[in-house]
Amino acid sequence: SQKIEQNSEALNIQEGKTATLTCNYTNYSPAYLQWYRQDPGRGPVFLLLIRENEKEKRKERLKVTFDTTLKQSLFHITASQPADSATYLCALLTSGGSYIPTFGRGTSLIVHP
Amino acid sequence: DGGITQSPKYLFRKEGQNVTLSCEQNLNHDAMYWYRQDPGQGLRLIYYSQIVNDFQKGDIAEGYSVSREKKESFPLTVTSAQKNPTAFYLCASSIGSGTDYGYTFGSGTRLTVV
Repeated sequence: SQKIEQNSEALNIQEGKTATLTCNYTNYSPAYLQWYRQDPGRGPVFLLLIRENEKEKRKERLKVTFDTTLKQSLFHITASQPADSATYLCALLTSGGSYIPTFGRGTSLIVHP
Repeated sequence: DGGITQSPKYLFRKEGQNVTLSCEQNLNHDAMYWYRQDPGQGLRLIYYSQIVNDFQKGDIAEGYSVSREKKESFPLTVTSAQKNPTAFYLCASSIGSGTDYGYTFGSGTRLTVV
């Protein structure tokens, strides 16, 4: 069966460090992978998109990698700040699914001052 | 400012009642979507519409209905046939399929059955 796995345990890190979140998937062949940020009681906010033929994408302090062999995406936040504390969701888009995202459960990130 | 407006923010439903959740966007996006989010679970797709007067069932459409009479509006009705409607409901929209620019989400409606 198709699965998207994100670590259900919260990631606790110290301010200034790099946070790395993982998105693993099975039985998908995504053409695109997106990352979103969600704050409590709010809707997700789109952060980054990476295509299947791209290895890495950067935007300010954010970096996303996409390894279609390992079936994994890593999401990095460098120089993390307490304001980065939120839940981060990955979403896979496949041509078979009309490119409508299928979301993972998300990983909570807590950045301690 | 352009965006998606969901209303109400909180909604209480008695068992056996139908309720309608509003979703309006002024982004001129073609496609609109409804997702449901339960604690500890990913977003699950209820319905989506890629053009006016057309919509498709998602993964968990049973007990829900939608309409898309205007580009700006995509209301969701939670019917009495939905046995476990208590959840956080999110409306989203996208330019085309949303592959390049992602989805824009509303702030959600929290529905509780009392």
